[in-house]
Amino acid sequence: GNSVTQMEGPVTLSEEAFLTINCTYTATGYPSLFWYVQYPGEGLQLLLKATKADDKGSNKGFEATYRKETTSFHLEKGSVQVSDSAVYFCALLNSGGYQKVTFGTGTKLQVIP
Amino acid sequence: DAGVIQSPRHEVTEMGQEVTLRCKPISGHDYLFWYRQTMMRGLELLIYFNNNVPIDDSGMPEDRFSAKMPNASFSTLKIQPSEPRDSAVYFCASSSGGLLPGAQYFGPGTRLLVL
Repeated sequence: GNSVTQMEGPVTLSEEAFLTINCTYTATGYPSLFWYVQYPGEGLQLLLKATKADDKGSNKGFEATYRKETTSFHLEKGSVQVSDSAVYFCALLNSGGYQKVTFGTGTKLQVIP
Repeated sequence: DAGVIQSPRHEVTEMGQEVTLRCKPISGHDYLFWYRQTMMRGLELLIYFNNNVPIDDSGMPEDRFSAKMPNASFSTLKIQPSEPRDSAVYFCASSSGGLLPGAQYFGPGTRLLVL
């Protein structure tokens, strides 16, 4: 079956530090990969996506590259801000069939001034 | 578009009472999902619909939970009778299988507390 594994949180960083949140996946076929972000008190929202191997998704300074050889989709940002404090979810959608997305358990990021 | 709309935003009820959560998906979306989120169990998919038809309800915890989608613009999740362990944030999300596969749009959630 499909599964997504994320690094345990919380991750605490100082403002302007470099961020990496690790994500690996298991899936049959050729999944699409996503990062979602959940700010306190809100629902999840799509941050970025990649649909095939070697694609790079990017948005708001965040990036992630679809690495088929290592089955990974790590999230990175060069300089985090306090406003980036949130929970980040890695997710996959397998090709074909219905639109059921498999989410990871989420990684909480706290950025301190 | 107003996004996914959920009501009520907060619900406090007593054990044994019936609770009904409501969701209006984004117009034109053909998928609707109900999730539950707690600190202990994280984000759980309860049920999802495609073109108003339930596709997978294997995440519904027990018979006390039921969901309906009578038309493309409205869905309900009902808990009867409610129990304290049902306390959680319930999210509704919608997506379009054709436009942007996998991109789900979440509502703000309903925070349910069962006393």
